Amino acid sequence: QSALTQPRSVSGSPGQSVTISCTGSSSDVGGHNSVSWYQQHPGKVPKLIFYDVTKRPSGVPDRFSGSKSGNTASLTISGLQAEDEADYYCCSYGGTYTPVVFGGGTRLTVL
Amino acid sequence: QLELQESGPGLVKPSETLSLTCSVSGGSIINYNYYWGWIRQPPGKGLEWIASIYYSGNTYYSPSLKSRVTISVDTSKNQFSLKLRSVTASDTAVYYCVEMGTTWFFDYWGQGILVTASS
Repeated sequence: QSALTQPRSVSGSPGQSVTISCTGSSSDVGGHNSVSWYQQHPGKVPKLIFYDVTKRPSGVPDRFSGSKSGNTASLTISGLQAEDEADYYCCSYGGTYTPVVFGGGTRLTVL
Repeated sequence: QLELQESGPGLVKPSETLSLTCSVSGGSIINYNYYWGWIRQPPGKGLEWIASIYYSGNTYYSPSLKSRVTISVDTSKNQFSLKLRSVTASDTAVYYCVEMGTTWFFDYWGQGILVTASS
């Protein structure tokens, strides 16, 4: 069982918006602004799409946005495109004893 | 452009030690702003962080693997390594070496190496 909880799957039609949640605790997501998100297409290497909750690396479309409220972080993708279909993983600093925790991943399907 | 490349055997026998090396090119492993680490992904499953290290040798381990894992760095070769002892079938995974930012995010990834634990 992963330390961070994500929905196993979400879906949306092209042009729509979807939000993927990532729920942790006050020890990880709620206690630090070190949440990152990764996109992984089938058979490919994961790609960083957000770090420090809201910071977007260069090259990541601004259709993607990151946020956090309490113990839950969220990734929102607006204007869904077929190329967004992938697995998405959240990650957080978890403190001295468990420095890094991942979510179980969310499969995004573009209908 | 920083590049990371994993190397090591793709098959390890149960109870033996898995040893992997990550070669870093396009930049120095002696970088005050970054750490280096390993993440694995069992077939069809999610990502699991294993360990991270700073060029000076400071190490950080997943508590679930700490008793079996050693991460080390060789600044003279611009490489860092992973050893996982007493492997079982559940250690079968794609192992990625990664560069980690100081706020615990992974921005550069190797291509990954599939390691199968089987006799």
